[in-house]
Amino acid sequence: QVQLQESGPGLVKPSETLSLTCTVSGGSISGHYWSWIRQPPGKGLEWIGYIYYTGITNYNPSLMSRLSISVDTVKNQFSLKLTSVTAADTAVYYCARVNRLLPILNYYYHAMDVWGQGTTVTVSS
Amino acid sequence: DIVMTQSPLSLPVTPGEPASISCRSSQSLLHSNGYIYLDWYLQKPGQSPQLLIYLGSYRASGVPDRFSGSVSGTDFTLKINRVEAEDVGVYYCMQSLQTRSFGGGTKVEIK
Repeated sequence: QVQLQESGPGLVKPSETLSLTCTVSGGSISGHYWSWIRQPPGKGLEWIGYIYYTGITNYNPSLMSRLSISVDTVKNQFSLKLTSVTAADTAVYYCARVNRLLPILNYYYHAMDVWGQGTTVTVSS
Repeated sequence: DIVMTQSPLSLPVTPGEPASISCRSSQSLLHSNGYIYLDWYLQKPGQSPQLLIYLGSYRASGVPDRFSGSVSGTDFTLKINRVEAEDVGVYYCMQSLQTRSFGGGTKVEIK
């Protein structure tokens, strides 16, 4: 079955760029949407954004000015870049597959049905 | 922006008893296609979140039928008809009508 694995630096300095990659195994990245979600220590979930395998993106408005999500269908990976980070960006970052679950008229309803284990990113000097 | 509000913050439960978690949205989640764009996720201790319910009341694959979701206007309820010890964790509602936003979570623990 499909598995997701996040990777990237665990420590990022303030004002620098946070870069993470999610590697998809057991299935193709093509044909699906893929999402990033984060969870600050001791807090709830925050949706970051998603990308379609063609490169179409949708971002959380609160992060949009600093955020970029990209996809590499050859490597079966998608990535997140968040610029100008501060301590508020310290969190566990999850990647997830946004899967087609129910046909509705001429499209599908999608939801996040497979998640990675998460990777902890700390922003500190 | 759509704001999701959950209650209670914490819910002590007794195994074998029913439990109910509430979620409210700041505006309607009714899509023009007639469906409610509301999902429920469970994050068990030390684990990643998992999808329980989508479109307000549809159980995700593999989810036990003791879990059910219901909708009344902008109020949403997740019910567990007989709680089991493995159901502990934090439950989140999430709207998917406009981008995505999560509720603050409800922590379910055994009494």
